[in-house]
Amino acid sequence: KQEVTQIPAALSVPEGENLVLNCSFTDSAIYNLQWFRQDPGKGLTSLLLIQSSQREQTSGRLNASLDKSSGRSTLYIAASQPGDSATYLCAVKRGSTLGRLYFGRGTQLTVWP
Amino acid sequence: NAGVTQTPKFRVLKTGQSMTLLCAQDMNHEYMYWYRQDPGMGLRLIHYSVGEGTTAKGEVPDGYNVSRLKKQNFLLGLESAAPSQTSVYFCASTFRQGPFGYTFGSGTRLTVV
Repeated sequence: KQEVTQIPAALSVPEGENLVLNCSFTDSAIYNLQWFRQDPGKGLTSLLLIQSSQREQTSGRLNASLDKSSGRSTLYIAASQPGDSATYLCAVKRGSTLGRLYFGRGTQLTVWP
Repeated sequence: NAGVTQTPKFRVLKTGQSMTLLCAQDMNHEYMYWYRQDPGMGLRLIHYSVGEGTTAKGEVPDGYNVSRLKKQNFLLGLESAAPSQTSVYFCASTFRQGPFGYTFGSGTRLTVV
């Protein structure tokens, strides 16, 4: 069974810091990995999707990397802002079809002014 | 661009009552999923569907039933609600094949008293 772990569980930083969120998974046979953002009481918003053949994806201040062989992904947030405060979830998809998502429990990020 | 729409957004049920949660997507996705999110447990898969007229059990299916009579709709039913079913329910969808990620609805917050 695929297990996804996210470290740290919570992170509190001052505005402007560059930060890294970590995600690890036990089965390297993944199809892709997706990072989501969840605001309190809201749904999941997709941030970045990395295919198993890719090493990284970038969107604005966000950069996600994938090392399938070691079972790790990192989400890098540059120049953090208070608006980045949310819970960040990592999810891996196993298999190209019928692949369900396996979620980590998330990293709760607080960026204070 | 509605994406994935869930109704209702909030509901309070008494133990033993029944209800149906509706998920509708307008992206022509073949696959649809129901997840529940509980504090400290992350997101867990309840049931999923790979196409119209098909459903399958996920990780925590007990106490729930589903139906997919139309491609765009996926219904989650609780026949006799229990306090253990108090949770936030999320619907998600994706294409059957290809390098696509998942799109989530905004969630239904259900409380069973």
